[in-house]
Amino acid sequence: DGGITQSPKYLFRKEGQNVTLSCEQNLNHDAMYWYRQDPGQGLRLIYYSQIVNDFQKGDIAEGYSVSREKKESFPLTVTSAQKNPTAFYLCASTPGTANTGELFFGEGSRLTVL
Amino acid sequence: QQQVKQSPQSLIVQKGGISIINCAYENTAFDYFPWYQQFPGKGPALLIAIRPDVSEKKEGRFTISFNKSAKQFSLHIMDSQPGDSATYFCAASRGSGNTGKLIFGQGTTLQVKP
Repeated sequence: DGGITQSPKYLFRKEGQNVTLSCEQNLNHDAMYWYRQDPGQGLRLIYYSQIVNDFQKGDIAEGYSVSREKKESFPLTVTSAQKNPTAFYLCASTPGTANTGELFFGEGSRLTVL
Repeated sequence: QQQVKQSPQSLIVQKGGISIINCAYENTAFDYFPWYQQFPGKGPALLIAIRPDVSEKKEGRFTISFNKSAKQFSLHIMDSQPGDSATYFCAASRGSGNTGKLIFGQGTTLQVKP
């Protein structure tokens, strides 16, 4: 089945540690996105990539980094510079030329910083 | 100008009732308005979307009403069922191709009581 796989589903880290969240898709989609979800704040865009080896900052990119070395993969690193990293992180993708506007989401990774 | 304001934050409806969630936007350049449904522990999924050339779109029990002059749109869930209990997000963007530029509302948690 095609889809987006995020791992790990739950992650606990100590303050000051960098963590990397994995996102893999087998939908052959060109564009990939990372969103952060906090209660009462909706979904906020962290980074997005429309093509391999290229990515753009979203609205809340500070304290995060990404890479896009392969079309299928778009990992997100939450660095120690992120002041409030505890959140639910969602990865999404969209096709390129056949984009109907629908975002396809993974099941999310919940990060808790102790 | 970039905000999408969603209300209410939470909603409790009896089975068989009508659930209504409202959103308001400011940017008149927005021309694509999707609604996403998210079940606990899962990623959001596209429910229904509308463009401003129509005032209403219906898919099964779900209807989007759109008021361009008031810059408001709403989701109506007719004959609400316990299985509809989820978090709903409205969103807006300029052009369906700009999914990376989707602005999400704050979310509404719907509980349908049996």
